[in-house]
Amino acid sequence: IAGITQAPTSQILAAGRRMTLRCTQDMRHNAMYWYRQDLGLGLRLIHYSNTAGTTGKGEVPDGYSVSRANTDDFPLTLASAVPSQTSVYFCASSDSSGASTDTQYFGPGTRLTVL
Amino acid sequence: GQNIDQPTEMTATEGAIVQINCTYQTSGFNGLFWYQQHAGEAPTFLSYNVLDGLEEKGRFSSFLSRSKGYSYLLLKELQMKDSASYLCAVIDSNYQLIWGAGTKLIIKP
Repeated sequence: IAGITQAPTSQILAAGRRMTLRCTQDMRHNAMYWYRQDLGLGLRLIHYSNTAGTTGKGEVPDGYSVSRANTDDFPLTLASAVPSQTSVYFCASSDSSGASTDTQYFGPGTRLTVL
Repeated sequence: GQNIDQPTEMTATEGAIVQINCTYQTSGFNGLFWYQQHAGEAPTFLSYNVLDGLEEKGRFSSFLSRSKGYSYLLLKELQMKDSASYLCAVIDSNYQLIWGAGTKLIIKP
């Protein structure tokens, strides 16, 4: 593994189903982030984690949950998917704790379609 | 509210120079990033400015004026591979990154 990996690459999901998007980084970065990117809109922060064991809500957290059991992994769960959650999801990490002055490095993204 | 404005789309010619502008209104300022994002790929870091002035890095330069809430990304000697979206992002007073919607740059031969 080099950098950040995400799985799956893409997924088509029926509305109402539960789905977990996986994110793993091998850079030993303290902070990790989940964004969604929709056409015509900027990246929007869903949840973040400044360090293992802590998480926080971003701009659009409703319908999503995260956990940070260790430094490397930061899964994002959709408890009951809805069509408005159709988007491209990016996981990112940075070598910072609390202050986002360090560069964020992005995973390749997961393209999710909810029908 | 917080806002970052960039042109939606720009077109330029291979070999030419293009300037992509970004204006921002945020609660506080702790730095500004430029990222490049090719279609279907992840954003990748280009530059970071926290002080006023010009930062040069090869064919790419980034300028910041904090008093004007303004930055630009200057791309010289344009190549076809520079066709991408360019994202401006500002760190606000809470150290959250606020992202612009991005500028799609189309390079024509």
